[in-house]
Amino acid sequence: GAGVSQTPSNKVTEKGKYVELRCDPISGHTALYWYRQSLGQGPEFLIYFQGTGAADDSGLPNDRFFAVRPEGSVSTLKIQRTERGDSAVYLCASSLSYSDTQYFGPGTRLTVL
Amino acid sequence: GNSVTQMEGPVTLSEEAFLTINCTYTATGYPSLFWYVQYPGEGLQLLLKATKADDKGSNKGFEATYRKETTSFHLEKGSVQVSDSAVYFCALSGLKTSYDKVIFGPGTSLSVIP
Repeated sequence: GAGVSQTPSNKVTEKGKYVELRCDPISGHTALYWYRQSLGQGPEFLIYFQGTGAADDSGLPNDRFFAVRPEGSVSTLKIQRTERGDSAVYLCASSLSYSDTQYFGPGTRLTVL
Repeated sequence: GNSVTQMEGPVTLSEEAFLTINCTYTATGYPSLFWYVQYPGEGLQLLLKATKADDKGSNKGFEATYRKETTSFHLEKGSVQVSDSAVYFCALSGLKTSYDKVIFGPGTSLSVIP
């Protein structure tokens, strides 16, 4: 079946611009996670959704980052006033429920010039 | 805090050599342990997992045993192939009852040469 998909696969933007990154989880998965992977490092947790609500957003680095999941399926990660330090690969993962194995998407590579 | 430590890379091996990638963890509870693999240009894939002490996870010739006494989950393969070249991440989760964020190690890059 279809896995987790993320769009776009690559995004290049200028410092100060606004970007949106999209995640389509596996159908029927209620839990959705966003992670950020900087070059040469392991992914770091950003935010977790159970259904439509953000159950834990403690990993978001500051208030320029925001994520939504209005219908409990697709999620969008939004970054305002992008900075060069936001450049990274943003990964989305989903799982059937909160305690099940997470399946990762291919990621969106964000480059802020 | 909860964390994962892996041996530093890059690791370069000849084809058919024996592979060990060390992984140790620090956790306040009893986590599940994972190895994820990231092939060049691809997303993270779950390679294997173990959910309790003394469990052995295995897949594609790779093995790792959950050692609670040494807080370790070392990855091994008896005979590596060129196609095993990738970055390997040790990870843990299951520290909370309400949800399950994954904590990753920094990754170990493996290159297998013919």
